[in-house]
Amino acid sequence: QKEVEQNSGPLSVPEGAIASLNCTYSDRVSQSFFWYRQYSGKSPELIMSIYSNGDKEDGRFTAQLNKASQYVSLLIRDSQPSDSATYLCAVKGGGGSNYKLTFGKGTLLTVNP
Amino acid sequence: NAGVMQNPRHLVRRRGQEARLRCSPMKGHSHVYWYRQLPEEGLKFMVYLQKENIIDESGMPKERFSAEFPKEGPSILRIQQVVRGDSAAYFCASSPLSSGSTDTQYFGPGTRLTVL
Repeated sequence: QKEVEQNSGPLSVPEGAIASLNCTYSDRVSQSFFWYRQYSGKSPELIMSIYSNGDKEDGRFTAQLNKASQYVSLLIRDSQPSDSATYLCAVKGGGGSNYKLTFGKGTLLTVNP
Repeated sequence: NAGVMQNPRHLVRRRGQEARLRCSPMKGHSHVYWYRQLPEEGLKFMVYLQKENIIDESGMPKERFSAEFPKEGPSILRIQQVVRGDSAAYFCASSPLSSGSTDTQYFGPGTRLTVL
């Protein structure tokens, strides 16, 4: 059974700092990796997707993937109070299921002004 | 381009009643997925449907739960004889025609079901 593990937090950073969110996954054949942001009471919103080892940058966000270590991370530069939310790591692919997203429980990020 | 639409946004039912949750995928999307988020829990996959077909319902409880995606109209998640443990947020997601591992799923606003 696939598992995705995240630190539940809360992770607290000052405004302008770098927030680092981490995720590990158990299924070695997983192929696709996603970071979603979820504000309290709202639906998940896609932030980043990554499929190959290495870094992928989009604005203030950088996703990092290391398949050998089964590890994916999200860095948020110049953190803003509006970044305060729960960040969900999700994994897809492999094991005969290339459509089912498996989510971690999420890391609560608080950015303090 | 409208996003994924779900209704109702909030639904209150008493124990033993039926709950019907509706989902209209994004325009051009023919793949629909339902996920459930219990309080303090992560999102859990329930079922994957294409038009008129259930592809994978492995995450759905065997009893009381059913889903459909008819040729015309929205996808429906139906919960019969609801119990308090069914109280959760139910999210629908959709993806385009080609459902590969790199395909992105876009989530609707969710239906928050409360069972009294």
